[in-house]
Amino acid sequence: AQSVTQLDSHVSVSEGTPVLLRCNYSSSYSPSLFWYVQHPNKGLQLLLKYTSAATLVKGINGFEAEFKKSETSFHLTKPSAHMSDAAEYFCVVSWRNSGNTPLVFGKGTRLSVIA
Amino acid sequence: GAVVSQHPSWVICKSGTSVKIECRSLDFQATTMFWYRQFPKQSLMLMATSNEGSKATYEQGVEKDKFLINHASLTLSTLTVTSAHPEDSSFYICSVRGDVAVFEAFFGQGTRLTVV
Repeated sequence: AQSVTQLDSHVSVSEGTPVLLRCNYSSSYSPSLFWYVQHPNKGLQLLLKYTSAATLVKGINGFEAEFKKSETSFHLTKPSAHMSDAAEYFCVVSWRNSGNTPLVFGKGTRLSVIA
Repeated sequence: GAVVSQHPSWVICKSGTSVKIECRSLDFQATTMFWYRQFPKQSLMLMATSNEGSKATYEQGVEKDKFLINHASLTLSTLTVTSAHPEDSSFYICSVRGDVAVFEAFFGQGTRLTVV
């Protein structure tokens, strides 16, 4: 069965410092992996996705993630946090790239950015 | 990417009444749509997979008679919460998933349901 584990429920960083949100996956197949962001009382926005192409994936707003098969990880990073990055972040896995296969969500990591 | 429109964005209803939530795929023909529920400060949990022209597939623990799903066309799926109770209060989100070259899911803006 496929699943994702977000290792931190809450991460707090100072503005201008690096961000690291950790995610490990478990999948019997070669997974597709995504990071989504959710601002308070808003819907979900795709940050980036990995679908078996380049292992280092660049996304929007300066975020990137690296797929490491040996570590079964897909950590999300950003060199310098902005206040607007404060939100809930979800690591998401899919074991099959198909329109009829749902995504499986991690529990989420709340990112706080301190001025 | 696909545009998914969900309506209403918020609704308050009395306990015992039914509420219908619509999910429309505006520019993408979706044979499959997904319904998620999100409780405060929690993650999204898949409730059911809606299949156009056939019965929905419900996740374990989700009451199919309580959460009625209809997917009558390639662009519209509806979720009806029947005989709503306060514990049904939640954030409901629908999504469609691209296929072939587009693999990410596209989400509606969500519906905040409050049952009083």
